[in-house]
Amino acid sequence: SAVISQKPSRDICQRGTSLTIQCQVDSQVTMMFWYRQQPGQSLTLIATANQGSEATYESGFVIDKFPISRPNLTFSTLTVSNMSPEDNSIYLCSGRPPGLAGGETQYFGPGTRLLVL
Amino acid sequence: GQSLEQPSEVTAVEGAIVQINCTYQTSGFYGLSWYQQHDGGAPTFLSYNALDGLEETGRFSSFLSRSDSYGYLLLQELQMKDSASYFCAVGGGGFKTIFGAGTRLFVKA
Repeated sequence: SAVISQKPSRDICQRGTSLTIQCQVDSQVTMMFWYRQQPGQSLTLIATANQGSEATYESGFVIDKFPISRPNLTFSTLTVSNMSPEDNSIYLCSGRPPGLAGGETQYFGPGTRLLVL
Repeated sequence: GQSLEQPSEVTAVEGAIVQINCTYQTSGFYGLSWYQQHDGGAPTFLSYNALDGLEETGRFSSFLSRSDSYGYLLLQELQMKDSASYFCAVGGGGFKTIFGAGTRLFVKA
């Protein structure tokens, strides 16, 4: 199974500022994703991080607010821009091994807990 | 689109058996997966059913009925450490995964 690390693990930020979250996987995965999860809630997909090209965003999420990079197969970043208290959440990076379709095995990083004051 | 329904909470006693149900609606179904998430932790993959029937992995089993658009996760010999949230999930088109709202399992002594 893939081991996925994220940093920072948590941060407290001022509104209007931006935070970049890094995600590193220990083995090559074909797909990487970014999710948001509010306490006690389900996981909401923000976007699919595509290697070397623009990410594919889900409805309700836009590149200006959540720019994503994936320069290679094992690394991705998510930036939360112009933060507001509505961005208080846990941000999770995940990866899927090669050859598997949507709904199959996915591995998650430990998450980044963001608090915006 | 895709939608999944599962109970919000289930409570059971240590040593018992509990079943967490999941019904789904999806255009283009490949399989149903289950994830466990402890408070403050990351979701961890438990099982995946692509075909009808029961898959057993230790104390956990997962069942799928494609004709009924229904599946369940069965936890046997419940332990306190099984207290967690459990999510069912389906493919959301392409390589995406769509998660249900989650079932919070409370295991009592």
